[in-house]
Amino acid sequence: SQQGEEDPQALSIQEGENATMNCSYKTSINNLQWYRQNSGRGLVHLILIRSNEREKHSGRLRVTLDTSKKSSSLLITASRAADTASYFCATDAEGGSEKLVFGKGTKLTVNP
Amino acid sequence: GAGVSQSPSNKVTEKGKDVELRCDPISGHTALYWYRQRLGQGLEFLIYFQGNSAPDKSGLPSDRFSAERTGESVSTLTIQRTQQEDSAVYLCASSDSWGGWTEAFFGQGTRLTVV
Repeated sequence: SQQGEEDPQALSIQEGENATMNCSYKTSINNLQWYRQNSGRGLVHLILIRSNEREKHSGRLRVTLDTSKKSSSLLITASRAADTASYFCATDAEGGSEKLVFGKGTKLTVNP
Repeated sequence: GAGVSQSPSNKVTEKGKDVELRCDPISGHTALYWYRQRLGQGLEFLIYFQGNSAPDKSGLPSDRFSAERTGESVSTLTIQRTQQEDSAVYLCASSDSWGGWTEAFFGQGTRLTVV
């Protein structure tokens, strides 16, 4: 089962530009996380936001959460070629379930 | 160990053979997750463990798939009578809590190719 759905599916930008990716989910959640995946292997955790939080920052990353719209966005500012990767959101499934489910991801390409 | 370890890194098997994929989580992590990722696709949830118990096996695609965890540590995902559609990267993750309350740490995955 998949709870989160990211859009766009693919995004191509120039170095220095900002990249925004969105995640929508279906049921109430306790937490939402964003991960990055390089080269189709292990994922790396970027940021976690709780359902009672609206915004969170980490370096060049900014995550927002709108529980009324059941959506989240990940903003990467001043992008670099090294940011090229796939980005996934993950949530607890189906309103407090204990499993962690991921969306289909956004493939970001940052051109030098 | 320092992180989540999966073995083998790559596995090529003939259709119809059984395979075992291993995951060594971070010591002390109670939650362990298995996912399948086909080429260019998202992560498909397979199963998760709380300690040695698997409360939710709903993601296992068929009865050819099974998983166990022992000693609240190592987990094995077994695929019997492999089919070509089983070809994918199998990812394991562990966390010190479940349900996304804390971050999950991923292994590098096992790339399974069924020929």
